[in-house]
Amino acid sequence: SQQGEEDPQALSIQEGENATMNCSYKTSINNLQWYRQNSGRGLVHLILIRSNEREKHSGRLRVTLDTSKKSSSLLITASRAADTASYFCATGPYNTDKLIFGTGTRLQVFP
Amino acid sequence: EPEVTQTPSHQVTQMGQEVILRCVPISNHLYFYWYRQILGQKVEFLVSFYNNEISEKSEIFDDQFSVERPDGSNFTLKIRSTKLEDSAMYFCASRGTGTVNEKLFFGSGTQLSVL
Repeated sequence: SQQGEEDPQALSIQEGENATMNCSYKTSINNLQWYRQNSGRGLVHLILIRSNEREKHSGRLRVTLDTSKKSSSLLITASRAADTASYFCATGPYNTDKLIFGTGTRLQVFP
Repeated sequence: EPEVTQTPSHQVTQMGQEVILRCVPISNHLYFYWYRQILGQKVEFLVSFYNNEISEKSEIFDDQFSVERPDGSNFTLKIRSTKLEDSAMYFCASRGTGTVNEKLFFGSGTQLSVL
């Protein structure tokens, strides 16, 4: 698989349910970030977790990082229709200043 | 909240023509980037820029591409002779801190269509 693969590719849930998205990567990283993209718009940074951290929270977001498995998950609790968007993980590899984005998960939250 | 602004939002051009995509990064940021996203595909890194020079570039960023910071506020991406496969959404991004891979602030993008 390529650096930054997310699953599922698409997720449909009802308002109030939790949404979980997963990301796998291949190289050693400084950190892993999650971004959100509304249709046809720019990317908005949600949360950053460093390689020495295992879990981080921000509001309704919870991110975990397992560097031994090279994987991360993003949990959105109590989802809202306004959470409908594409979510991307992005890794910051060592010795480089670029971010490598995953394939994204399209989340649809039905009211 | 400060934001990265990009102009134009849409650009249509003929194959072989030159295009310049413009960006105004957040005013106190020092590190600038261009990424692109072909429809339905991943967001891809093109180039990073710091202290008036390219820090890093991808294989996509060939001799047809160039970047410039012509004054204290603008950051531009030029494609000298556009190809059909250059059609994509181009995103400018910036960051302020000195630590690599930190949070990026993205603009809303320029949708480039090459006919």
